[in-house]
Amino acid sequence: AQKVTQAQTEISVVEKEDVTLDCVYETRDTTYYLFWYKQPPSGELVFLIRRNSFDEQNEISGRYSWNFQKSTSSFNFTITASQVVDSAVYFCALSESETSYDKVIFGPGTSLSVIP
Amino acid sequence: DTAVSQTPKYLVTQMGNDKSIKCEQNLGHDTMYWYKQDSKKFLKIMFSYNNKELIINETVPNRFSPKSPDKAHLNLHINSLELGDSAVYFCASSLFASGIRSRVTQYFGPGTRLLVL
Repeated sequence: AQKVTQAQTEISVVEKEDVTLDCVYETRDTTYYLFWYKQPPSGELVFLIRRNSFDEQNEISGRYSWNFQKSTSSFNFTITASQVVDSAVYFCALSESETSYDKVIFGPGTSLSVIP
Repeated sequence: DTAVSQTPKYLVTQMGNDKSIKCEQNLGHDTMYWYKQDSKKFLKIMFSYNNKELIINETVPNRFSPKSPDKAHLNLHINSLELGDSAVYFCASSLFASGIRSRVTQYFGPGTRLLVL
């Protein structure tokens, strides 16, 4: 069965520190997709990244980077030089492709507070 | 040029009432979803429609009925509202590439905050 675990419920860092948000997933499929979404205090859900299971290259986008490791079933998210605007709840999510429909399972979220 | 929009943004109502939440997307997507986010921020899918056909119905009470008049709209009607229905409801959409079974990103609306008193 699908499952996404985000063991860190809440994290607080001081501005300019680096922070890594952990995500561990479970799936029996060989083809699947992983996502990260950001939910700022205003409440909307903002798409950050999608990776498929065949592409283990790490990705960097500005201060954001993602480390995908199939061997450990992890898809961790690092924010470098954190800023107050990074304060949000971050969700990791998993979608399997072998089902006949498009179902995304979300992790419980990690609440990140960046203190000035 | 909003991609996925929901109305209303806030909904406060009494127990037992019937209410609807509307969702529209202008992305040309063929699949739309409803998610419920509870007070602990846990997000769970409720329904999914592909080309106006129901394809996911996750153990949701039958007081909840989605209606899709066309591919760009998926409305959520809730009968006999209960206190436990208080939550944020998110609509989302994606483009399901039929035959390829690829999963394209789901884009979310701003959410509707429902409070049942």
